[in-house]
Amino acid sequence: DTAVSQTPKYLVTQMGNDKSIKCEQNLGHDTMYWYKQDSKKFLKIMFSYNNKELIINETVPNRFSPKSPDKAHLNLHINSLELGDSAVYFCASSPRTHEQYFGPGTRLTVT
Amino acid sequence: QKEVEQDPGPLSVPEGAIVSLNCTYSNSAFQYFMWYRQYSRKGPELLMYTYSSGNKEDGRFTAQVDKSSKYISLFIRDSQPSDSATYLCAMSKENTGNQFYFGTGTSLTVIP
Repeated sequence: DTAVSQTPKYLVTQMGNDKSIKCEQNLGHDTMYWYKQDSKKFLKIMFSYNNKELIINETVPNRFSPKSPDKAHLNLHINSLELGDSAVYFCASSPRTHEQYFGPGTRLTVT
Repeated sequence: QKEVEQDPGPLSVPEGAIVSLNCTYSNSAFQYFMWYRQYSRKGPELLMYTYSSGNKEDGRFTAQVDKSSKYISLFIRDSQPSDSATYLCAMSKENTGNQFYFGTGTSLTVIP
């Protein structure tokens, strides 16, 4: 009965590869997010979707492309991976009440 | 200048101590204030959530908001080793499509 789940938990890949991370929430929330957390623990918003519509798109390289097939899912596809993409990526969901619920994170290592 | 400032620590206290964690912010439009706890290799977990000014208490945790000073605090009473984690403050404005602004987190260790 996990609220926000992400797959995979760990991802090790080489520079130049393309990879996807999947996120699902069973909380019935309208809004979902992708965050990147660097080694200093700073959480940086990347994207936000509300009812499958993109509402926040921060300055992120266009190698990153989010896709929301329905309200409960938000996936992140990354093309041509670079060393600097190594980080922990968190998916989160939110009802309208300004609270967020985070997934367990995907630890991406680019070698 | 970042919109939300938080001392990264690390902060180390003996078990049973009262812990005070703080954030300052620059934008007076922030109305919603949250505290998250993040254990090592886990996702942030919502701990406390307050709207506008005032105090909110939940067990050993008290969240305080002073909008006139643009300053928020989280107090932990009778701290336990299980409180050892990184604590992140976050804020949001009215009607902004649920955009959140996070502090950089304070690393706390409670020593038995």
